[in-house]
Amino acid sequence: GAGVSQSPSNKVTEKGKDVELRCDPISGHTALYWYRQSLGQGLEFLIYFQGNSAPDKSGLPSDRFSAERTGGSVSTLTIQRTQQEDSAVYLCASSLAGLAGADTQYFGPGTRLTVL
Amino acid sequence: RKEVEQDPGPFNVPEGATVAFNCTYSNSASQSFFWYRQDCRKEPKLLMSVYSSGNEDGRFTAQLNRASQYISLLIRDSKLSDSATYLCVVNRDSGYALNFGKGTSLLVTP
Repeated sequence: GAGVSQSPSNKVTEKGKDVELRCDPISGHTALYWYRQSLGQGLEFLIYFQGNSAPDKSGLPSDRFSAERTGGSVSTLTIQRTQQEDSAVYLCASSLAGLAGADTQYFGPGTRLTVL
Repeated sequence: RKEVEQDPGPFNVPEGATVAFNCTYSNSASQSFFWYRQDCRKEPKLLMSVYSSGNEDGRFTAQLNRASQYISLLIRDSKLSDSATYLCVVNRDSGYALNFGKGTSLLVTP
């Protein structure tokens, strides 16, 4: 009965480096979401995957951010040329069907990214 | 105007007190409403969904006023373990991803 898992739990990087964050959703969940939470801010939607449909990337803050979901399961969020303002906790969530109001989103523990 | 606005608090209340949180949202097209709870340095977890007719789960009661675009959460008989940040959550236009308020901090003291 594993929940959503994310790795690494903490990542410290230097400005300008690329980072990859990984999310393993709950088995059987077809919808996967990425959010980020900056210090003192609410969660900010980044991207959404639902089955084989094209992802909704409307929340990505810049073209330095991209995400993939391979085989309908594991997802990787990549941030290129990291900036200090990218420092935040990146949270992944999954849900059974991605239907508005129809199911609960379960969150992983997050990856705390610090860009020096 | 932010999509979801909440009073950040903190609300400091004694055990056994009743406390109410309010939230307003800007998108009249939103159809799904939730309260999530987030403990310090932990991930958010669903506390309860919010329905137009109002709903109750034990000591927690949620209300929705669509005309005023206003959501509330009432906690009765507060416990020490209720100390957390309470996030007001509304679905985005597209219906699936969520917009979160910044949260209201609650501290229940002995």
